Order: sequence, then structure tokens, then C-alpha cells
Amino acid sequence: NAGVMQNPRHLVRRRGQEARLRCSPMKGHSHVYWYRQLPEEGLKFMVYLQKENIIDESGMPKERFSAEFPKEGPSILRIQQVVRGDSAAYFCASSSQGPGYGYTFGSGTRLTVV
Amino acid sequence: GENVEQHPSTLSVQEGDSAVIKCTYSDSASNYFPWYKQELGKRPQLIIDIRSNVGEKKDQRIAVTLNKTAKHFSLHITETQPEDSAVYFCAATLNTPLVFGKGTRLSVIA
Repeated sequence: NAGVMQNPRHLVRRRGQEARLRCSPMKGHSHVYWYRQLPEEGLKFMVYLQKENIIDESGMPKERFSAEFPKEGPSILRIQQVVRGDSAAYFCASSSQGPGYGYTFGSGTRLTVV
Repeated sequence: GENVEQHPSTLSVQEGDSAVIKCTYSDSASNYFPWYKQELGKRPQLIIDIRSNVGEKKDQRIAVTLNKTAKHFSLHITETQPEDSAVYFCAATLNTPLVFGKGTRLSVIA
């Protein structure tokens, strides 16, 4: 089992560009969570998805951020018109049983906005 | 919603000593409390978890205790080793995405 796969590991974008972060959950896991981590900060919840559905997006900024988890393919976190404050590590996690159970995290994507 | 506070933010111990990290949570209905370890530049990894119907759980050198009345839970690491150096995160939930504490940076000094 390859675990939770995230790519790219590192992403550099200029202000105003778009960033696309991909996450393939573990085999058999249909629940995907995205978290953002700033230096010396904890993991901040952004969005929770199941196949083709957004279940909870209460932690995701209303503007510029969107997420999807299509029937086929990885989950995508999309950030439009990136700003310096978007620089962070973005972690994806998956689980087989939904909230209330432990997650397996991916290795993260470190986004740097220059 | 749930709020999790974690203390201390940094902790240094001598190799072989014990380390204790404490967390408090706000939602008395929360029933699942995992702990994650994150080494520098790596992914967070689940190291132990406890549910609200259990007061204590142990796995070799690590243990977690839960006090539902006081709404706090703690991670105990005994006989610390240099490879225990990492950032540790607690979390809490009741059937919602995990809410994490801000983390504790543990340094084990050889």
C-alpha cells in the first residue's frame, strides 16, 4: 500500500498565479481531509470531502480556495491568485471510516509564494 | 466548535527521563483523542489514541490518560530516547474533522 500520495512536494508560485495541489488517498479510503500548517503552528482544518461531495468546508477561505474529489482521480486543492500569506505546508489525510477515527497523512506540499 | 489547548509549547528532557504533554478540550461530547508525532520535514504520524470510554492506554514507552470530568488528556513518554525528538500534536473530535492543538516541540538531550 503506497499510503497517501501528495504532489508536488514543493511548489513555487509567483503572486497572482494559481496553485494546484493533488492528493491520492490510501487504497480503500474514501474520506479526504485537507489541513494547512504554518511554521510553529498546528494543523488547521480546511475541508473534508468524500467522493464527489464536499462534506465540510468550514475551515476553507470563501475566496480563492476550492477543493474537489472527483469520482476518478485524486483530490485537488486549488488556490487562485496566490498571495504571500498562502505560503504554508498543505497536508492531505485520508481515512476509511470518516471523522471520529484516526487519519493517515500524506507527506505534504510546501507552497512558497514569491 | 471544539477548541484544543496544548502545553507546553517546548519541552527539553535528558535522555532516559520522562516527558509529559498535556491538552485540554472544550467540547465535553468529544469522544476520540489521538496523538500525532511529526519529525522535521515529515508527515504527522499517529502514535496512540484513546476513546472516551477508556481512562488510560499504554503502548510500550508511551501512554495516554484521559480525564473526562476535567476535559483534559495527557501523553506520557518514559525512558526518552533521542529519536523521540519531534513535534507532538494532540487532537479531539466528536464525529467531525480532527481539531489539533498547536503542538509541543520535544527535544531529548543525549
